[in-house]
Formats: sequence, C-alpha cells, structure tokens
Amino acid sequence: EAGVAQSPRYKIIEKRQSVAFWCNPISGHATLYWYQQILGQGPKLLIQFQNNGVVDDSQLPKDRFSAERLKGVDSTLKIQPAKLEDSAVYLCASSIRQGRTEAFFGQGTRLTVV
Amino acid sequence: AQTVTQSQPEMSVQEAETVTLSCTYDTSESNYYLFWYKQPPSRQMILVIRQEAYKQQNATENRFSVNFQKAAKSFSLKISDSQLGDTAMYFCAFPPQGGSEKLVFGKGTKLTVNP
Repeated sequence: EAGVAQSPRYKIIEKRQSVAFWCNPISGHATLYWYQQILGQGPKLLIQFQNNGVVDDSQLPKDRFSAERLKGVDSTLKIQPAKLEDSAVYLCASSIRQGRTEAFFGQGTRLTVV
Repeated sequence: AQTVTQSQPEMSVQEAETVTLSCTYDTSESNYYLFWYKQPPSRQMILVIRQEAYKQQNATENRFSVNFQKAAKSFSLKISDSQLGDTAMYFCAFPPQGGSEKLVFGKGTKLTVNP
C-alpha cells in the first residue's frame, strides 16, 4: 500500500514570497490533515478535511494560509506572503475516516523562510 | 485546557536495555485514545502504539508496551531490548475530542540508543 506522498521535501524562500505544498493521501482515506511542526515542538494541526469539506481550520492563520482539497483526494497548502516564523516542517496525514482510526503521516516538507 | 506533557526532553539508553518515556495529559473526556508516535530523522511520523482508554489492559506491540494509568492521566512508553534503530523523537499524542482526530502532541522526547 502506497503511503502519504508529499512534495517538495525541502523549500527555501524569501520572506513575503509565496509557496505551495502538495499532498496525496493514501487511497480511500477520507480524512486529510495538515500539521505544522516548528523545530523543537510537536506537530500542531492547521486544517482537517473530511472528503473535500473543511472540518476544522481553527488554528489556520487565514490571512496568509489557505488550503484546498478538490475532488476529495489530493490537497494543496499555500502560504502567501510567507513570514520568518513560518519556517517549519509541514506534515500531511490521512486516515480512513473521521473517528477513532490511525492517522498515517507523510515525510513532510521542510520550509525555510529567509 | 486539554494538554499533553512530556517532561523528558532527552533520554539515552544502552543497546539491549530498557527505557521508559513518560507522558501525562489532561482531559474531561471519559473515552478516548492515546498514541505514541516515533519520528526518525526522515521526519515521517510512525505510529508505535495505541491505547484505548476504556480498556484496562495495557497495550503491547512487540518490544513496545505502555503503562496506562487513567486516574492519574499518565501514559508512559516502555521500550525493551532497545535497538539502534529506536533512536528518534517520540511524541505522545491525544485527541481532545475523544476521537482519532485533531491530535494534540507533546513536545517530544529525543531518545538516543548507544551501542
């Protein structure tokens, strides 16, 4: 079974530039999550999708971050404009359904904003 | 507030020995899941073990086991016969709403297994 795919693995941008991350969940997984992991901390949920609908985006900085999951499959997370404090690893995860099931994570994208 | 606390930022253990990582959490839920995830340098979070709060029996997965104390809200991970490949960050995680969603993670414990 193929795992959660993310790209790119690494990205370096200057502040005020824009960046986009892509995630392809495990086939058949209805729930998709984007987490932000700042160095030295545990991951923090940014947004959760159930199919192509948003379930929770309470911690997403909506003035600069946006995410979509068209057709309920792959997803894109965008930052525009980026700030220095956005430097982090962005992890995508998926689970079969919303509920008490295991979430599977991708390898993440390490973003450095200079 | 529903939080997860890992009080050991770093730990080290000799190969083949046993090590225990601690985790405490806070919740008003009565039924929930608790998780330990491993994050090696490759950055991919890998589920190590899961415990269902309504089950009194502690979960076990090969060399990994938990000591779940519901009343104390404690969820520690024991790694037996430590191997070099166990070197990684370990995160305790907990879904505040009780379901396996919107996981709240602790700050992690960096475990180093020495040869």
